[in-house]
Amino acid sequence: GDSVTQMEGPVTLSEEACLTINCTYTATGYPSLFWYVQYPGEGLQLLLKATKADDKGSNKGFEATYRKETTSFHLEKGSVQVSDSAVYFCALSNQAGTALIFGKGTTLSVSS
Amino acid sequence: EAQVTQNPRYLITVTGKKLTVTCSQNMNHEYMSWYRQDPGLGLRQIYYSMNVEVTDKGDVPEGYKVSRKEKRNFPLILESPSPNQTSLYFCASSPSRGKGEKLFFGSGTQLSVL
Repeated sequence: GDSVTQMEGPVTLSEEACLTINCTYTATGYPSLFWYVQYPGEGLQLLLKATKADDKGSNKGFEATYRKETTSFHLEKGSVQVSDSAVYFCALSNQAGTALIFGKGTTLSVSS
Repeated sequence: EAQVTQNPRYLITVTGKKLTVTCSQNMNHEYMSWYRQDPGLGLRQIYYSMNVEVTDKGDVPEGYKVSRKEKRNFPLILESPSPNQTSLYFCASSPSRGKGEKLFFGSGTQLSVL
């Protein structure tokens, strides 16, 4: 079945460091891919998405490119801030469009 | 303000005592869904609904019931809760079913079953 694998955390960085969180997927068909972010005590919020191969999603300095050949959707940011500390989830839509399949989440902690 | 509202935020109960977690959205969304979040497992879908009176099972439906009598409400019912249902629960909605649709999430309900 469909699945998402993302790198284990926690990831600990200093402010202004570069961030990469790896995400790979297994899916039938051509899913849409998403990154959601969960700040402490809150629900998930959409960070960015891409709906077809080679699309790049971007938001708040984060970006990710839909790579069909490597079945990957890695999240990157050039310079992280303390306010980026959160849990990040990679997800894909199932073929019917009735559910998101989530990875296990990666906790990012940024210190000043 | 457009939002998905869940209640209660925290709930502690005992095994076998029926409970309902409410979910309401004010965006006129057709699609609604329930997920549970467990450490090391990410989020898993419990049930979803594509419109009023249309519900279907997700990946982990055992021990749960839902209903969709009105478009805005989608309560999650645990008829006889057990300790393995201790989890963080999220309700979510989107304008319609679709591969590219953004999901709007509630703030979550932390349930502890003793």
